[in-house]
Amino acid sequence: EDKVVQSPLSLVVHEGDTVTLNCSYEVTNFRSLLWYKQEKKAPTFLFMLTSSGIEKKSGRLSSILDKKELFSILNITATQTGDSAVYLCAVGWGGSEKLVFGKGTKLTVNP
Amino acid sequence: NAGVTQTPKFQVLKTGQSMTLQCAQDMNHEYMSWYRQDPGMGLRLIHYSVGAGITDQGEVPNGYNVSRSTTEDFPLRLLSAAPSQTSVYFCASSPGGAQPQHFGDGTRLSIL
Repeated sequence: EDKVVQSPLSLVVHEGDTVTLNCSYEVTNFRSLLWYKQEKKAPTFLFMLTSSGIEKKSGRLSSILDKKELFSILNITATQTGDSAVYLCAVGWGGSEKLVFGKGTKLTVNP
Repeated sequence: NAGVTQTPKFQVLKTGQSMTLQCAQDMNHEYMSWYRQDPGMGLRLIHYSVGAGITDQGEVPNGYNVSRSTTEDFPLRLLSAAPSQTSVYFCASSPGGAQPQHFGDGTRLSIL
Protein backbone atom coordinates (compact mmCIF):
# COMPACT_ATOMS: atom_id res chain seq x y z
CA GLU A 1 0.00 0.00 0.00
CA ASP A 2 1.01 3.64 -0.42
CA LYS A 3 3.39 4.90 2.23
CA VAL A 4 3.12 8.56 1.20
CA VAL A 5 -0.23 10.01 0.19
CA GLN A 6 -0.64 13.52 -1.18
CA SER A 7 -3.86 15.44 -1.52
CA PRO A 8 -5.39 16.86 -3.52
CA LEU A 9 -3.93 15.30 -6.65
CA SER A 10 -4.87 18.35 -8.67
CA LEU A 11 -5.78 21.94 -7.80
CA VAL A 12 -6.68 24.98 -9.89
CA VAL A 13 -6.64 28.44 -8.31
CA HIS A 14 -6.49 32.10 -9.31
CA GLU A 15 -3.51 34.35 -8.81
CA GLY A 16 -3.47 35.76 -5.31
CA ASP A 17 -5.18 32.77 -3.70
CA THR A 18 -3.61 30.87 -0.79
CA VAL A 19 -3.26 27.10 -1.16
CA THR A 20 -2.52 24.27 1.24
CA LEU A 21 -1.09 21.00 -0.01
CA ASN A 22 -1.20 17.90 2.17
CA CYS A 23 1.13 14.96 2.64
CA SER A 24 0.45 12.05 5.00
CA TYR A 25 2.85 9.18 5.53
CA GLU A 26 3.24 5.82 7.16
CA VAL A 27 6.79 4.55 7.57
CA THR A 28 8.75 2.83 10.31
CA ASN A 29 11.59 4.82 11.88
CA PHE A 30 10.71 8.13 10.23
CA ARG A 31 13.75 10.28 9.55
CA SER A 32 12.72 13.22 7.35
CA LEU A 33 10.06 14.62 5.03
CA LEU A 34 11.02 16.60 1.94
CA TRP A 35 9.08 18.82 -0.43
CA TYR A 36 10.11 19.28 -4.07
CA LYS A 37 8.74 21.47 -6.87
CA GLN A 38 8.72 20.00 -10.37
CA GLU A 39 8.08 22.20 -13.36
CA LYS A 40 9.04 20.87 -16.77
CA LYS A 41 12.18 18.96 -15.84
CA ALA A 42 14.06 18.13 -12.64
CA PRO A 43 12.39 18.25 -9.23
CA THR A 44 13.95 21.09 -7.23
CA PHE A 45 14.30 20.95 -3.47
CA LEU A 46 12.11 23.20 -1.33
CA PHE A 47 12.18 22.06 2.31
CA MET A 48 13.33 19.26 4.54
CA LEU A 49 11.49 18.73 7.83
CA THR A 50 12.65 16.52 10.66
CA SER A 51 11.05 18.01 13.80
CA SER A 52 7.41 18.51 14.66
CA GLY A 53 5.97 21.98 14.96
CA ILE A 54 8.90 23.91 13.49
CA GLU A 55 7.85 25.89 10.45
CA LYS A 56 10.21 26.20 7.53
CA LYS A 57 9.68 29.32 5.44
CA SER A 58 11.00 30.64 2.17
CA GLY A 59 9.28 33.73 0.79
CA ARG A 60 5.63 32.89 0.15
CA LEU A 61 6.14 29.18 0.80
CA SER A 62 6.06 27.56 4.20
CA SER A 63 5.82 24.02 5.54
CA ILE A 64 5.29 22.30 8.85
CA LEU A 65 5.44 18.73 10.09
CA ASP A 66 3.25 16.90 12.61
CA LYS A 67 5.03 13.70 13.64
CA LYS A 68 2.25 12.65 15.99
CA GLU A 69 -0.44 12.76 13.29
CA LEU A 70 2.05 11.75 10.54
CA PHE A 71 1.46 14.54 8.07
CA SER A 72 2.90 17.71 6.64
CA ILE A 73 1.41 20.71 4.87
CA LEU A 74 2.90 23.04 2.30
CA ASN A 75 1.36 26.51 2.19
CA ILE A 76 1.72 28.96 -0.66
CA THR A 77 0.35 32.46 -0.10
CA ALA A 78 -0.43 35.07 -2.76
CA THR A 79 0.02 32.51 -5.52
CA GLN A 80 1.54 33.52 -8.86
CA THR A 81 1.41 31.84 -12.26
CA GLY A 82 5.04 30.83 -11.71
CA ASP A 83 3.91 28.62 -8.83
CA SER A 84 2.20 26.32 -11.33
CA ALA A 85 4.00 22.98 -10.98
CA VAL A 86 3.76 19.51 -9.52
CA TYR A 87 4.65 19.50 -5.83
CA LEU A 88 6.18 16.25 -4.61
CA CYS A 89 6.41 15.00 -1.05
CA ALA A 90 9.02 12.39 -0.11
CA VAL A 91 9.82 10.57 3.12
CA GLY A 92 13.08 9.05 4.33
CA TRP A 93 13.26 6.40 7.02
CA GLY A 94 15.68 4.42 9.15
CA GLY A 95 19.40 4.56 8.36
CA SER A 96 18.81 4.42 4.62
CA GLU A 97 19.28 7.29 2.17
CA LYS A 98 16.30 6.01 0.20
CA LEU A 99 13.23 8.18 -0.28
CA VAL A 100 9.67 7.14 -1.05
CA PHE A 101 7.64 9.68 -3.00
CA GLY A 102 3.97 10.49 -3.11
CA LYS A 103 2.19 10.86 -6.44
CA GLY A 104 2.37 14.64 -6.32
CA THR A 105 -0.11 17.51 -6.40
CA LYS A 106 -0.49 19.33 -9.69
CA LEU A 107 -1.09 23.02 -8.97
CA THR A 108 -2.32 25.31 -11.71
CA VAL A 109 -2.45 29.05 -11.01
CA ASN A 110 -4.52 31.00 -13.52
CA PRO A 111 -4.04 34.74 -14.10
CA ASN B 1 28.34 24.05 -11.58
CA ALA B 2 27.03 21.21 -13.73
CA GLY B 3 25.36 19.33 -10.84
CA VAL B 4 23.74 16.11 -12.07
CA THR B 5 24.01 15.54 -15.83
CA GLN B 6 21.93 12.97 -17.66
CA THR B 7 22.35 11.86 -21.26
CA PRO B 8 20.61 11.44 -23.59
CA LYS B 9 17.63 13.74 -23.03
CA PHE B 10 15.40 11.74 -25.39
CA GLN B 11 15.63 8.24 -26.82
CA VAL B 12 13.40 5.95 -28.87
CA LEU B 13 14.10 2.24 -28.82
CA LYS B 14 12.59 -0.85 -30.35
CA THR B 15 11.46 -3.72 -28.16
CA GLY B 16 14.39 -5.99 -27.35
CA GLN B 17 17.11 -3.39 -27.85
CA SER B 18 19.51 -2.57 -25.08
CA MET B 19 20.89 0.79 -24.06
CA THR B 20 22.60 2.67 -21.25
CA LEU B 21 21.36 5.89 -19.68
CA GLN B 22 24.24 7.96 -18.42
CA CYS B 23 24.36 9.92 -15.15
CA ALA B 24 27.28 11.96 -13.89
CA GLN B 25 27.63 14.30 -10.92
CA ASP B 26 30.45 16.69 -10.09
CA MET B 27 29.59 17.35 -6.45
CA ASN B 28 31.52 14.39 -4.99
CA HIS B 29 28.28 12.93 -3.66
CA GLU B 30 28.40 9.43 -2.23
CA TYR B 31 24.74 8.56 -2.72
CA MET B 32 23.24 8.21 -6.21
CA SER B 33 19.93 6.81 -7.35
CA TRP B 34 17.74 6.18 -10.38
CA TYR B 35 13.99 6.79 -10.48
CA ARG B 36 11.34 6.37 -13.10
CA GLN B 37 8.34 8.69 -13.31
CA ASP B 38 5.14 7.54 -14.93
CA PRO B 39 1.87 9.50 -15.18
CA GLY B 40 -0.07 9.26 -11.94
CA MET B 41 2.63 7.14 -10.27
CA GLY B 42 5.06 9.61 -8.77
CA LEU B 43 8.78 8.80 -8.63
CA ARG B 44 9.70 5.17 -8.05
CA LEU B 45 13.18 4.03 -7.06
CA ILE B 46 14.87 1.60 -9.45
CA HIS B 47 18.42 1.18 -8.07
CA TYR B 48 20.68 3.13 -5.78
CA SER B 49 24.30 3.29 -4.66
CA VAL B 50 25.82 4.46 -1.38
CA GLY B 51 29.33 4.68 -2.82
CA ALA B 52 31.69 3.38 -5.48
CA GLY B 53 31.40 -0.39 -5.82
CA ILE B 54 28.15 -0.62 -3.81
CA THR B 55 24.72 -0.86 -5.41
CA ASP B 56 21.34 -2.17 -4.32
CA GLN B 57 17.82 -2.62 -5.62
CA GLY B 58 14.99 -0.21 -5.12
CA GLU B 59 11.26 -0.64 -5.55
CA VAL B 60 11.17 -1.52 -9.29
CA PRO B 61 14.53 -3.06 -10.29
CA ASN B 62 13.42 -5.73 -12.79
CA GLY B 63 14.81 -5.24 -16.30
CA TYR B 64 17.52 -2.81 -15.19
CA ASN B 65 21.17 -3.13 -14.19
CA VAL B 66 23.53 -0.63 -12.59
CA SER B 67 27.17 -0.39 -11.64
CA ARG B 68 29.20 2.24 -9.79
CA SER B 69 32.87 2.09 -10.68
CA THR B 70 33.56 5.74 -9.80
CA THR B 71 32.02 8.27 -7.41
CA GLU B 72 30.99 10.48 -10.34
CA ASP B 73 29.17 8.05 -12.64
CA PHE B 74 26.13 5.82 -12.19
CA PRO B 75 24.88 4.38 -15.49
CA LEU B 76 21.55 2.57 -15.83
CA ARG B 77 21.36 -0.29 -18.32
CA LEU B 78 18.22 -1.63 -19.96
CA LEU B 79 19.05 -5.19 -20.94
CA SER B 80 16.15 -5.93 -23.31
CA ALA B 81 13.80 -2.97 -23.64
CA ALA B 82 10.06 -3.54 -23.22
CA PRO B 83 7.17 -1.11 -23.87
CA SER B 84 6.46 -1.12 -20.11
CA GLN B 85 9.78 0.66 -19.63
CA THR B 86 8.55 3.71 -21.53
CA SER B 87 8.97 6.44 -18.93
CA VAL B 88 10.93 9.48 -17.82
CA TYR B 89 14.06 8.48 -15.94
CA PHE B 90 15.67 10.70 -13.31
CA CYS B 91 19.06 10.36 -11.69
CA ALA B 92 19.69 11.97 -8.31
CA SER B 93 22.59 12.39 -5.91
CA SER B 94 23.20 13.52 -2.36
CA PRO B 95 26.18 13.77 -0.03
CA GLY B 96 24.54 11.23 2.29
CA GLY B 97 23.77 11.87 5.93
CA ALA B 98 20.08 12.28 5.06
CA GLN B 99 20.77 15.40 3.01
CA PRO B 100 18.36 16.36 0.18
CA GLN B 101 18.82 14.70 -3.19
CA HIS B 102 19.62 16.78 -6.30
CA PHE B 103 18.05 15.67 -9.55
CA GLY B 104 19.17 15.67 -13.17
CA ASP B 105 16.87 16.96 -15.93
CA GLY B 106 15.73 13.48 -16.88
CA THR B 107 15.77 11.18 -19.91
CA ARG B 108 12.51 10.64 -21.78
CA LEU B 109 12.56 7.08 -23.10
CA SER B 110 10.02 5.61 -25.53
CA ILE B 111 10.02 1.93 -26.42
CA LEU B 112 8.05 0.85 -29.46
